[in-house]
Amino acid sequence: EAEVAQSPRYKITEKSQAVAFWCDPISGHATLYWYRQILGQGPELLVQFQDESVVDDSQLPKDRFSAERLKGVDSTLKIQPAELGDSAMYLCASSLLVPGEPLSYNEQFFGPGTRLTVL
Amino acid sequence: KNEVEQSPQNLTAQEGEFITINCSYSVGISALHWLQQHPGGGIVSLFMLSSGKKKHGRLIATINIQEKHSSLHITASHPRDSAVYICAVIQNRDDKIIFGKGTRLHILP
Repeated sequence: EAEVAQSPRYKITEKSQAVAFWCDPISGHATLYWYRQILGQGPELLVQFQDESVVDDSQLPKDRFSAERLKGVDSTLKIQPAELGDSAMYLCASSLLVPGEPLSYNEQFFGPGTRLTVL
Repeated sequence: KNEVEQSPQNLTAQEGEFITINCSYSVGISALHWLQQHPGGGIVSLFMLSSGKKKHGRLIATINIQEKHSSLHITASHPRDSAVYICAVIQNRDDKIIFGKGTRLHILP
């Protein structure tokens, strides 16, 4: 069964260091999402890609966070420099763009997440 | 006030009990998701619905658009159902997805 892959699964870093997370969506899924989930909270959208283009990055802290999906397939989320408050689970999800359906109707499939701890 | 509210926040029940988790929202929506998150962190989509009722195995999801309310039911609950259940809505004015904080369910054997 096709799955969304993420790596690493766990990352521990010191504040002010740079970290990067990788996501490989389900093959053929045009839409890719990065979410941040703080313990005890629901996920919060950071950035949404449609193929290689950013559709929504309004909640992405652009002073330290960046995301790219250069070839419209896999994606990287980077934090530089990391801060203590960035400790969270970073989730990637993808969905198949169904012609004629609005983006919102497309079911999202989630990866296992990367748990980041900033010391 | 959060746009998506779930209740209860935490629920502990005995194996075999009928479980109900509620989700209320205050925005106009085009669809609603029920998601399951296990302790390892991975999220699985259980249902996506925009009206009526859906059933999959022991899980049933209902939505009342007029009342802005959805419920997730688990029949004959089992310890493996222990997880966090998250309600998420797709806001119809801008297609943004808004998540609830989740309901932590613990089924005792």
